Amino acid sequence: DTGVSQDPRHKITKRGQNVTFRCDPISEHNRLYWYRQTLGQGPEFLTYFQNEAQLEKSRLLSDRFSAERPKGSFSTLEIQRTEQGDSAMYLCASSSQGPYEQYFGPGTRLTVT
Amino acid sequence: DQQVKQNSPSLSVQEGRISILNCDYTNSMFDYFLWYKKYPAEGPTFLISISSIKDKNEDGRFTVFLNKSAKHLSLHIVPSQPGDSAVYFCAARSNDYKLSFGAGTTVTVRA
Repeated sequence: DTGVSQDPRHKITKRGQNVTFRCDPISEHNRLYWYRQTLGQGPEFLTYFQNEAQLEKSRLLSDRFSAERPKGSFSTLEIQRTEQGDSAMYLCASSSQGPYEQYFGPGTRLTVT
Repeated sequence: DQQVKQNSPSLSVQEGRISILNCDYTNSMFDYFLWYKKYPAEGPTFLISISSIKDKNEDGRFTVFLNKSAKHLSLHIVPSQPGDSAVYFCAARSNDYKLSFGAGTTVTVRA
């Protein structure tokens, strides 16, 4: 399977703990995106990488959130000092540069208790 | 500031009939529109797209129509099949990469 993969699929953590998610994009895609989806809503843009450069961060991405994409391959999204409001599905997507569709992974569902 | 709106949260249609999903947007800078389909516990799956310079795009049973003057697009599924039961998201692209999504429409195809 050469689609976008995400790990873990589910994460339950206690408030105040740090969590890290991983995304492996489709290998030939140089763009990688993170989105967050809450119940009853569509995905909301969080951040975007072109190769290893992080080119935009949404205002939704507070200082407790950090994303990296070392060497322009996989990406990690870390949330520090988690809060209950961080509970959501975190989706990763990738695409080629240009007017191409973004392909999504299965998501990581985070529950903060 | 919801720039993409799907005003119908749900749609029920009989198998074999047409499903019509609607989407409205406010940002005239959107240049590319997409529809995604999502099953429970899975990520969104790309379905069909349309550039802002076109007014129709067809792919098998799926057709997307774009009315730029009305800032409105629709997805037609003909004929509807049980496997089409899912949540459908309308998305619009700006700045060459950023997607803004609607809240989704849940489609149920009745046998």
